[in-house]
Amino acid sequence: EAQVTQNPRYLITVTGKKLTVTCSQNMNHEYMSWYRQDPGLGLRQIYYSMNVEVTDKGDVPEGYKVSRKEKRNFPLILESPSPNQTSLYFCASSPTWGLSYEQYFGPGTRLTVT
Amino acid sequence: AQSVTQLDSHVSVSEGTPVLLRCNYSSSYSPSLFWYVQHPNKGLQLLLKYTSAATLVKGINGFEAEFKKSETSFHLTKPSAHMSDAAEYFCVVSDNNFNKFYFGSGTKLNVKP
Repeated sequence: EAQVTQNPRYLITVTGKKLTVTCSQNMNHEYMSWYRQDPGLGLRQIYYSMNVEVTDKGDVPEGYKVSRKEKRNFPLILESPSPNQTSLYFCASSPTWGLSYEQYFGPGTRLTVT
Repeated sequence: AQSVTQLDSHVSVSEGTPVLLRCNYSSSYSPSLFWYVQHPNKGLQLLLKYTSAATLVKGINGFEAEFKKSETSFHLTKPSAHMSDAAEYFCVVSDNNFNKFYFGSGTKLNVKP
């Protein structure tokens, strides 16, 4: 089944403890992206990647890192999480960049930072 | 800079009546616009997209949207609401490279029996 998977789905952690949220797609997509969703704000783009080793900042990159070492994986790294990073996170992928393809979204990761 | 304003945070309709979800955009070039739907505790799914072809765009599940450049609007409509349409809807505009995407704040649609 073609899909975007995220792990973990739920995570409660403490301030300052490094964490990684994994994202994987099995559709051979070039473009991948991370978003956070907060009530009343919709989704905001954190980082995106146009292909392996090519990443760029979205609207709200502060406090996050990403890497794209393999085409299928695009992990989101929070080196020192803070409570304002408590949010619902979505990973998405699409066949390529530069064209208006549909984005396919993962099921989301709910992160709580205490 | 690109931005999207969804004019209603909540819309409530009765089953079988028309749905109108309003979206206005701001873009410095000819935009590409999308509507996505998010059912409770689910990821997002594309409903439809506008990419400078026909101004009236048809999507899945009977939804359609009309691009009006003079009004900078891209409102989503459906002639007859179904209970399964209850969800949150997001209007999205992309940058001119289709790399960055800007979401509206969302409209929650409630469908009453």
